[in-house]
Amino acid sequence: SQQGEEDPQALSIQEGENATMNCSYKTSINNLQWYRQNSGRGLVHLILIRSNEREKHSGRLRVTLDTSKKSSSLLITASRAADTASYFCATDVLSYGGATNKLIFGTGTLLAVQP
Amino acid sequence: DSGVTQTPKHLITATGQRVTLRCSPRSGDLSVYWYQQSLDQGLQFLIQYYNGEERAKGNILERFSAQQFPDLHSELNLSSLELGDSALYFCASTRQGGTILGGELFFGEGSRLTVL
Repeated sequence: SQQGEEDPQALSIQEGENATMNCSYKTSINNLQWYRQNSGRGLVHLILIRSNEREKHSGRLRVTLDTSKKSSSLLITASRAADTASYFCATDVLSYGGATNKLIFGTGTLLAVQP
Repeated sequence: DSGVTQTPKHLITATGQRVTLRCSPRSGDLSVYWYQQSLDQGLQFLIQYYNGEERAKGNILERFSAQQFPDLHSELNLSSLELGDSALYFCASTRQGGTILGGELFFGEGSRLTVL
């Protein structure tokens, strides 16, 4: 079963607009990561935020994390056609015994940026 | 180029057959993760190895098995193949042995398996 669910499933915007994707997860985590996947290709790591962090920036990316709501958001500012891809959140799963070493991916958001 | 190599890139086989997918991790990475990506199931975590030992198990079927060799390359064996096993199989590597350290995963380009 999926640990994380992204919302929306698909998003279409114009170049220059901002894109926001949300991720909700079910269990306690140590950290949350965001990955990007171009169609049929391998995933590429974008950014990692730890459970004791609330916000992180990297270039045009801004990630927030709300552990009380078990949710995260990824904001891509000033989007470009080249940002067209699927975006996934990934969480490591904690159990009562500690880290499970399972990195579980969400369902993904398909972003289309129209030129 | 992530530095992770997966072979073969494409594989077409028949139901009931057995295939082996191979993964060479990035130089220096000790952990290997295997994922299955299909349209209906999304990206499913299968199994993780660290320095030759199994560390975590996910939704891996009993018909599937994996191992990591002393040279750190890994193989995923899929047997008694069914139509539903058709998917993209990804290998990813990282230096850390566990997710608690939060290391990013470096993904290969995947092996696309088609079962007819």
